[in-house]
Amino acid sequence: EVQLVESGGGLVQPGGSLRLSCAASGFTFSSYEMNWVRQAPGKGLEWVSYISSSGSSIYYADSVKGRFTISRDNAKNSLYLQMNSLRAEDTAVYYCASGETGAFDYWGQGTLVTVSS
Amino acid sequence: DIRMTQSPSSLSASVGDRVTITCRASQGISSYLAWYQQKPGKVPKLLIFAASTLQSGVPSRFSGSGSGTDFTLTISSLQPEDVATYYCQKYNSAPYTFGQGAKLEIK
Repeated sequence: EVQLVESGGGLVQPGGSLRLSCAASGFTFSSYEMNWVRQAPGKGLEWVSYISSSGSSIYYADSVKGRFTISRDNAKNSLYLQMNSLRAEDTAVYYCASGETGAFDYWGQGTLVTVSS
Repeated sequence: DIRMTQSPSSLSASVGDRVTITCRASQGISSYLAWYQQKPGKVPKLLIFAASTLQSGVPSRFSGSGSGTDFTLTISSLQPEDVATYYCQKYNSAPYTFGQGAKLEIK
């Protein structure tokens, strides 16, 4: 069974940093592209970042470019999102997502990031 | 970047009704279009990929159509458990933009 489990969320002050993790199991992690998607309270889904299976291709939404860094460790079946210079508008539930179809077949349960003083 | 616009943003229908939600891309995306269902307090669930391919386990009352810039999600006979927000998403190339969502309620 495919499982994606996010961790690392919490309360952080504006300008602060946080590192999210996503632990994958039940599939060959090293063969799958991975994404981060976020959802602000009461709002819609926003794609945040993508990383290819090898880590050689990376993309970001304009809203996080230059502040967030996506990475992966295929030996540890783990995906990461380093978030720096956090703003109030980064407050959201962050999901890791992947799939076999090209779309996002698999989603984690999400981790809540709250940016507030 | 390509924008994804859904309509309507919210709708109310009766059990058994046929429901249609549309999604328009600002540029052509071939058939790289997915539909997701998100029930209140739950994680998004993939319903349809490649514009019209039903994900395994999704009830056959859901269907998708379209290509290029105009896409449709149809529920042939609305059920109470279909209350949710529905999102379209392009995935031909980054950014993998979502539509703003369509909130479906039961009358």
